[in-house]
Amino acid sequence: DAGITQSPRHKVTETGTPVTLRCHQTENHRYMYWYRQDPGHGLRLIHYSYGVKDTDKGEVSDGYSVSRSKTEDFLLTLESATSSQTSVYFCAISHGTLNTEAFFGQGTRLTVV
Amino acid sequence: GEDVEQSLFLSVREGDSSVINCTYTDSSSTYLYWYKQEPGAGLQLLTYIFSNMDMKQDQRLTVLLNKKDKHLSLRIADTQTGDSAIYFCAERAIPGGSQGNLIFGKGTKLSVKP
Repeated sequence: DAGITQSPRHKVTETGTPVTLRCHQTENHRYMYWYRQDPGHGLRLIHYSYGVKDTDKGEVSDGYSVSRSKTEDFLLTLESATSSQTSVYFCAISHGTLNTEAFFGQGTRLTVV
Repeated sequence: GEDVEQSLFLSVREGDSSVINCTYTDSSSTYLYWYKQEPGAGLQLLTYIFSNMDMKQDQRLTVLLNKKDKHLSLRIADTQTGDSAIYFCAERAIPGGSQGNLIFGKGTKLSVKP
C-alpha cells in the first residue's frame, strides 16, 4: 500500500465550527488531491496541489481551503462547517500528471450536525 | 466540460462474467482507469488503458476501449463474491498539465450472488 495516512478517520462536528483534515504521505509524490465522495455524485475534486505552496481549486472548492507547507502534508480546512459538507473525504497522491496511478487514502468520514 | 457516465448497479451470479460500461466525453483523454472501492475503504486501482490501445487483459480483467464511441468497458471473468464492490471509471484528460486530475464516474455497484 502507498504510504498515505488521513486523519482523523471519523469526525462529528457542529455547524459553524472550523475543521481541518490532514493528509500525510511518505512517497514524496509531487501531486496531492482532496476529493469528496457523495451518493449519486461519485468523487469530486475539491482542491489539489502540484507542489509546496502551489495549490489550485477543483470542481467543488467553495467553503474549503487548503495548505501545503511541506511535500508530505496537505491540509483541507472547512472554515465554518455546514451540513452540506457532510461527506467522505479522500486524499490522493500522484507522482506526475502522466503517471498512470493515483493512490488513495482510506478516507475521512465527516458528519456536520 | 469533461463527463464520465456509468450505470449505477449491476447484479451477476457467481461464476458468470460481469461487464461494466462507461462513456466519457473528452476526446483528448490519454489514460482511462478502473478503480475498485470495497465498503469502508479507499479506492484501489484495478487497471488502466492508454488511449492508443483497444484492449488490455490482466488475469480475469479485460478492458475494451472504443475511442470512436468514447466507450470503455471492464469485463471480469468468473466473477467471485469478493468482487462485490463499487467500480469507478475515470479519465485523465489533461496530459502534462498542472492539474493531472482524475474525472470520475458515479460508480457502478456490482453485487455478486452465490
